[in-house]
Amino acid sequence: GAVVSQHPSWVICKSGTSVKIECRSLDFQATTMFWYRQFPKQSLMLMATSNEGSKATYEQGVEKDKFLINHASLTLSTLTVTSAHPEDSSFYICSASEQGDHQPQHFGDGTRLSIL
Amino acid sequence: DAKTTQPTSMDCAEGRAANLPCNHSTISGNEYVYWYRQIHSQGPQYIIHGLKNNETNEMASLIITEDRKSSTLILPHATLRDTAVYYCIVRRPFNSGGSNYKLTFGKGTLLTVNP
Repeated sequence: GAVVSQHPSWVICKSGTSVKIECRSLDFQATTMFWYRQFPKQSLMLMATSNEGSKATYEQGVEKDKFLINHASLTLSTLTVTSAHPEDSSFYICSASEQGDHQPQHFGDGTRLSIL
Repeated sequence: DAKTTQPTSMDCAEGRAANLPCNHSTISGNEYVYWYRQIHSQGPQYIIHGLKNNETNEMASLIITEDRKSSTLILPHATLRDTAVYYCIVRRPFNSGGSNYKLTFGKGTLLTVNP
């Protein structure tokens, strides 16, 4: 149980385009999902907390207008990197947890984004 | 959230037990200890978590000291596929208010299992 699916696994696109990444909880409902970014040889950094039916909460230094988050249902959150540039190239990972105070977060397999 | 301290790297022979330590001396009473691992180019994988009692599941055992200031993750029979970065994270319950339920990843321990 507690499977989180992320799509696509990798994407390569030209500078200036927008890229949408999907995160789905396959066998449970998630009112809260999280989006992380990981640069090479670094640890995961939380970008934002996605809340179903309301606005996302962004971490300090993360541009909300560049990284658009939509959490329209209890099983789907999307992250759109708008007008992507080479410096946005990174490994993007989402996570979600089942209902309950101390339930662990389960992670997707990540999306490798390369902007040319 | 309380900070954690882990060794940068460890080695273990295949088939032997891997014991990964974590120091969390400033842990609060309602903070849980979580362990995750990340194999190269994959998302983190949940391993185990606990509050104060020792825990065991099909993947590992978690030993938490009585004062809760440190813990040890035990992989009883390490295999080559257990080579990964292991993260020890302390976190408050979801309903603790504010944003303290978020996971904050440190640098973790790179465990290398050798044949």
